[in-house]
Amino acid sequence: AQSVTQPDIHITVSEGASLELRCNYSYGATPYLFWYVQSPGQGLQLLLKYFSGDTLVQGIKGFEAEFKRSQSSFNLRKPSVHWSDAAEYFCAVASSGRDDKIIFGKGTRLHILP
Amino acid sequence: DAGVIQSPRHEVTEMGQEVTLRCKPISGHNSLFWYRQTMMRGLELLIYFNNNVPIDDSGMPEDRFSAKMPNASFSTLKIQPSEPRDSAVYFCASRRGLGEKLFFGSGTQLSVL
Repeated sequence: AQSVTQPDIHITVSEGASLELRCNYSYGATPYLFWYVQSPGQGLQLLLKYFSGDTLVQGIKGFEAEFKRSQSSFNLRKPSVHWSDAAEYFCAVASSGRDDKIIFGKGTRLHILP
Repeated sequence: DAGVIQSPRHEVTEMGQEVTLRCKPISGHNSLFWYRQTMMRGLELLIYFNNNVPIDDSGMPEDRFSAKMPNASFSTLKIQPSEPRDSAVYFCASRRGLGEKLFFGSGTQLSVL
């Protein structure tokens, strides 16, 4: 069965600084990988996804993520954060087989300092 | 499209009462997921359906929880009897097919007193 680990519960960065949120997954084959963002009181919105091909994927709002099979990682990055990026970020993994459920990590809450 | 619609938005009930949460997925989507979100456990998958058929309900906490999807446009999650530890935000999400992104509803905030 697949699983997802987000080791950082909270991350604080200054506005304009770069950001990297970590995600490690466990799955026997090549998974589908996703990053979602949740603003307070809202459901989750997709930032980006990886299925195959280029291991560096671009998403909305200037985010990108890199799939590293050797490290079982799919870290999310942004070169310069904005105050509006303060939210909770979730990494998710889905199997590519018939059992195609989607499992989420516990999330990382991003705080932005002015 | 109106998106995934969940009702009610908030539910406050007393321990022992039956609670029914409702979800209308996006038209044309063939998979539907129920998640529960708490501070301690994060976003847990409870159950998901493909083409109205339950595929995996291993995340349903216990027999007090049940979910149905009688047709492609409606699903319910029922808790009977409810307990204070069931207090959480319950999200419904749908997707068009395998590997597609999930579209989430706004959630139901459940408080069991």
